[in-house]
Amino acid sequence: EDKVVQSPLSLVVHEGDTVTLNCSYEVTNFRSLLWYKQEKKAPTFLFMLTSSGIEKKSGRLSSILDKKELFSILNITATQTGDSAVYLCAAHSGGGADGLTFGKGTHLIIQP
Amino acid sequence: GAVVSQHPSRVICKSGTSVKIECRSLDFQATTMFWYRQFPKQSLMLMATSNEGSKATYEQGVEKDKFLINHASLTLSTLTVTSAHPEDSSFYICSAIRQPSSYEQYFGPGTRLTVT
Repeated sequence: EDKVVQSPLSLVVHEGDTVTLNCSYEVTNFRSLLWYKQEKKAPTFLFMLTSSGIEKKSGRLSSILDKKELFSILNITATQTGDSAVYLCAAHSGGGADGLTFGKGTHLIIQP
Repeated sequence: GAVVSQHPSRVICKSGTSVKIECRSLDFQATTMFWYRQFPKQSLMLMATSNEGSKATYEQGVEKDKFLINHASLTLSTLTVTSAHPEDSSFYICSAIRQPSSYEQYFGPGTRLTVT
């Protein structure tokens, strides 16, 4: 059974702190790992990771994938209140098992 | 717990036909279900919000007569793509929440629709 586990489930930090969100996965025919930010209803795409060890960056956000250990992390530096959201990771399976398996998300709250 | 399934996982249909996709919450009652469509570059677009026993709320730009949503029970919502065209080919994902105002959404595995 495919599964994606995110940790922590909830995190409260102060503005300016750096946070690391974790995502481990076990899926059949792994193709890619996706990170989303969900504030209102539709998740916003952040990163797609396919190769191990290559960091992707976008502003204060960065993410990296470890295909040997089957996990990914999402880092946010110098957090701002606008970073408060639920962060979702999803593992994309390819081949005959085309599908997305989502984790439950990490609810991040940034306090001023 | 909190498993959401979709059926079928993959469907190929001819242009002009209709396709029904089911979304089920397997071990909880979902007061609200959401239907998304995934576009290139992995962005998810919310199509509609489905509440059990009432009409779905469609997002702007989504044709309600083309994408029929029925939330007949607390564990089942269906999306019917009517008179499908090749441009409807996409990855359709549903999610469910246990209770109103909950931030925890549980996503289904998605349905790959290909219209030929």
